[in-house]
Amino acid sequence: GAVVSQHPSWVICKSGTSVKIECRSLDFQATTMFWYRQFPKQSLMLMATSNEGSKATYEQGVEKDKFLINHASLTLSTLTVTSAHPEDSSFYICSARGPGLAGVNTGELFFGEGSRLTVL
Amino acid sequence: QKEVEQNSGPLSVPEGAIASLNCTYSDRGSQSFFWYRQYSGKSPELIMFIYSNGDKEDGRFTAQLNKASQYVSLLIRDSQPSDSATYLCAFMEYGNKLVFGAGTILRVKS
Repeated sequence: GAVVSQHPSWVICKSGTSVKIECRSLDFQATTMFWYRQFPKQSLMLMATSNEGSKATYEQGVEKDKFLINHASLTLSTLTVTSAHPEDSSFYICSARGPGLAGVNTGELFFGEGSRLTVL
Repeated sequence: QKEVEQNSGPLSVPEGAIASLNCTYSDRGSQSFFWYRQYSGKSPELIMFIYSNGDKEDGRFTAQLNKASQYVSLLIRDSQPSDSATYLCAFMEYGNKLVFGAGTILRVKS
């Protein structure tokens, strides 16, 4: 399957600081990437859809000024958690839609390894 | 609110048995369905996708879709301890976004 790489895999920061998480598609171009957040024992919740060359689309209840998304190229999207607080501690996972088979996009998402954020 | 419902489990099966995981969804317009496996502390990995009524087999895994009843299931034959994980069901909604269920914990006992 397609490979999506995420960095860093874990980060600990002080309250009030900002943290940037990178998501790269390694062997394919991804015009759209998705950012999810997962709290312990809960499912993945979509935060925003990142579109290359345009503004991200945020889900209801997600603060766009707090979670800055930049998708500057076809292989890289970044999520910056600004002024992080302990309640932002979570597992952040990016994903991209794979290239599909024979050019047909079947819709499956491939996930990065995830980034575990702990805000002290 | 479009939803995916899964029994949280844990579902415990002995090694070598068939594990049956079920999922129901609320959006009648959904066309594509996915099963992901997630090990603790790891990100999900795709097992299978299905978009036609009926069965789809891939190795030890069989996905079953019944759009009229709005359910999708995953069968794991010859279950192994390494299959122990959380299994997430998802469907694609308008805008090509995936909506995930909370997942079913599977435990395969050796």
